[in-house]
Amino acid sequence: EPEVTQTPSHQVTQMGQEVILRCVPISNHLYFYWYRQILGQKVEFLVSFYNNEISEKSEIFDDQFSVERPDGSNFTLKIRSTKLEDSAMYFCASSPGTRDGTDTQYFGPGTRLTVL
Amino acid sequence: AQKITQTQPGMFVQEKEAVTLDCTYDTSDPSYGLFWYKQPSSGEMIFLIYQGSYDQQNATEGRYSLNFQKARKSANLVISASQLGDSAMYFCAMDAGNMLTFGGGTRLMVKP
Repeated sequence: EPEVTQTPSHQVTQMGQEVILRCVPISNHLYFYWYRQILGQKVEFLVSFYNNEISEKSEIFDDQFSVERPDGSNFTLKIRSTKLEDSAMYFCASSPGTRDGTDTQYFGPGTRLTVL
Repeated sequence: AQKITQTQPGMFVQEKEAVTLDCTYDTSDPSYGLFWYKQPSSGEMIFLIYQGSYDQQNATEGRYSLNFQKARKSANLVISASQLGDSAMYFCAMDAGNMLTFGGGTRLMVKP
């Protein structure tokens, strides 16, 4: 069964450093997403991406964040200058793309980002 | 704006019994989807079940069923015949566009 994959599974970085989190969505899916979950808290939407551009973004997704689909398979989240509060589990998800509220999003296993 | 509320932070259930996890939602969108995800201790998010706002029947997927009461804006998850492997966090979520809004989750613990 196809699945979303994410690398690395755990990333440790120093405050102020740039990090890139990588995802390979399910191959025939059209929508891609990033979510984050701070330890012990709810999952929060960051951004959705469709047709090579951002479709929606939350208030969390400020200028420090960017997303890219550099080729036909990868989808990346870049954090330019990490802060301590960026420490969280970051989930990538993808969906087939029905745009009517029926679109099931399938999540990857997550990347745990620790900022020291 | 959408809002999802899960009022049960933690629940216990005896193995082989059924359990209901509560979820209420608020939205002004006429078309939306309701989802339940399971998050075991390993951290991944596993899709369980989906209910569309226009669906006439309650969704079922194996041991999971969704008790959808549109007028009350509730979408409770029912797990029948609980198993030890059902112990996990369960999140209710809503999609009214192309972003999911999650509730705070319910931690389910299945007792042997």
